[in-house]
Amino acid sequence: DTEVTQTPKHLVMGMTNKKSLKCEQHMGHRAMYWYKQKAKKPPELMFVYSYEKLSINESVPSRFSPECPNSSLLNLHLHALQPEDSALYLCASSQELITEAFFGQGTRLTVV
Amino acid sequence: GENVEQHPSTLSVQEGDSAVIKCTYSDSASNYFPWYKQELGKRPQLIIDIRSNVGEKKDQRIAVTLNKTAKHFSLHITETQPEDSAVYFCAARQAGTALIFGKGTTLSVSS
Repeated sequence: DTEVTQTPKHLVMGMTNKKSLKCEQHMGHRAMYWYKQKAKKPPELMFVYSYEKLSINESVPSRFSPECPNSSLLNLHLHALQPEDSALYLCASSQELITEAFFGQGTRLTVV
Repeated sequence: GENVEQHPSTLSVQEGDSAVIKCTYSDSASNYFPWYKQELGKRPQLIIDIRSNVGEKKDQRIAVTLNKTAKHFSLHITETQPEDSAVYFCAARQAGTALIFGKGTTLSVSS
């Protein structure tokens, strides 16, 4: 299995909702990442987990809460989002922090 | 922190021509430089990468060059084809940190 799998592919949520994005990989990678990508912009780093520990938090608002339950799974919990949070949320993984990163297909999030 | 500049923002070429995209980085400690291709509505896909102990790397029609002294690296695509049309992102990273991306280049190859 050489894939990073994200669910759901699309998500529409209201500003008062709570939802979660999920990311899974079975490549034995020990580093996992969340990126946010707006249209026609580059991916913007949000969080990095290395060996299931939060390694980097790029000053992301607390309405985004990451979780790494085990080495194969990465979640992003969403609460009280704003319309400007609408974007493509990309998960990525790499064997270690120093090796190449592979992206999942993303979750297209729309906040209404 | 690292800052990556990418040029040009758009590039239009005829099928069969070569395309060159250039990036500069700010942090001399960066040692890994990948290039990603992103087609509309799809994920970024790694197409080639280079590490700071190497000056050039080639994979069929794609090559990347790195000049550590000048802190810039370039993507070269030869014999371009319409399916090469996409947004290309360069990125840079130092050990123990995550990728920082350039702003992207929209490449259009017309037949």
